[in-house]
Amino acid sequence: DGGITQSPKYLFRKEGQNVTLSCEQNLNHDAMYWYRQDPGQGLRLIYYSQIVNDFQKGDIAEGYSVSREKKESFPLTVTSAQKNPTAFYLCASSITGGSGANVLTFGAGSRLTVL
Amino acid sequence: GQNIDQPTEMTATEGAIVQINCTYQTSGFNGLFWYQQHAGEAPTFLSYNVLDGLEEKGRFSSFLSRSKGYSYLLLKELQMKDSASYLCAVMDSNYQLIWGAGTKLIIKP
Repeated sequence: DGGITQSPKYLFRKEGQNVTLSCEQNLNHDAMYWYRQDPGQGLRLIYYSQIVNDFQKGDIAEGYSVSREKKESFPLTVTSAQKNPTAFYLCASSITGGSGANVLTFGAGSRLTVL
Repeated sequence: GQNIDQPTEMTATEGAIVQINCTYQTSGFNGLFWYQQHAGEAPTFLSYNVLDGLEEKGRFSSFLSRSKGYSYLLLKELQMKDSASYLCAVMDSNYQLIWGAGTKLIIKP
């Protein structure tokens, strides 16, 4: 079955540590996205990538980094520079970016807690 | 600034009808999406409106008025499994999605 796999589902981190969240898709989608979801707020875009080896900052990229070395994979690193990293992180993909009817398929999410 | 407004929480009874409203102010408009998200799970696509009017899809319908910056999601014959958050999102002139905070729908027997 095609879909998006995020891992780990739950992650605990000590302050000052970097962590990497995995996102893999087998939908053959060109575009991939990372969102952050906090209680009482809409999804906020961290980074997105429309093609391999290219990515752009979203609205809240500070303290995060990504790579897109393969079409299927778009890992997100939460660095120690991110001031408030505790959140629910959602990875998504779409056939292409930059078009109207751009339906997103989401992964099940990764919940990061900083101790 | 860009803004999407939805009620924070709504309660309805099993078997009834509920309407979830969404108003928006964005830089341009390239379509409005509704997603359903059960607690702790991935959002899943429900509907897409780009022209004014009503789109019906089974028990769910979505309405759009671009001149009023307004949409609603109508859920009929409510079932307990419809208890979830409903997210409204608008695609702006740069094809970026602006998300509302979501409406938590509670269904009571």
